[in-house]
Amino acid sequence: EAGVVQSPRYKIIEKKQPVAFWCNPISGHNTLYWYLQNLGQGPELLIRYENEEAVDDSQLPKDRFSAERLKGVDSTLKIQPAELGDSAVYLCASSLNHLGEQYFGPGTRLTVT
Amino acid sequence: AQSVTQLDSQVPVFEEAPVELRCNYSSSVSVYLFWYVQYPNQGLQLLLKYLSGSTLVESINGFEAEFNKSQTSFHLRKPSVHISDTAEYFCAVRAAGGTSYGKLTFGQGTILTVHP
Repeated sequence: EAGVVQSPRYKIIEKKQPVAFWCNPISGHNTLYWYLQNLGQGPELLIRYENEEAVDDSQLPKDRFSAERLKGVDSTLKIQPAELGDSAVYLCASSLNHLGEQYFGPGTRLTVT
Repeated sequence: AQSVTQLDSQVPVFEEAPVELRCNYSSSVSVYLFWYVQYPNQGLQLLLKYLSGSTLVESINGFEAEFNKSQTSFHLRKPSVHISDTAEYFCAVRAAGGTSYGKLTFGQGTILTVHP
């Protein structure tokens, strides 16, 4: 069974440019998470989806970050415009439900120059 | 709210030596506890978890962790490490109730480096 798939794996952009990350969760997993992992830190939750509904987005900086999970499967996380401080690894995870074990993708490493 | 403190950012050790990675947590409600491992260029993988029952939990590759409620700790141990154990290890907690129910909170991570 395929795990959580993320693309791209690496992205380098200039500041003020937009960027988007894509995540395909494990089939059948209703809950999807986006985490931000800064260098030397543990992951921090940005947003959690239950099917297509964002049920916890309290940590998502809504002035520049947006996310969607239109059909309750794939999800996209967007930053517009990117800032130097956004350089980090963006992790996607999924679970059967919000209490189930979370399975993580390999992450997208973003570098903003 | 919950918080997790991993007391060592880096732990170097020689192969076949024992190792302990320390984790302390803070929470106003009961919690479930987890250790995740992240190998280079890979996603986090669940290593072991404590949900209830025996306070000593084990993984399939020889790691164990003990939940100590009085000391609010969940230290990870292995009696004899291998080169292949080199990775970053994250301790995490999840509230068993309250407003943060279901939310996973991670520590800062401990980089374990096993030298030959």
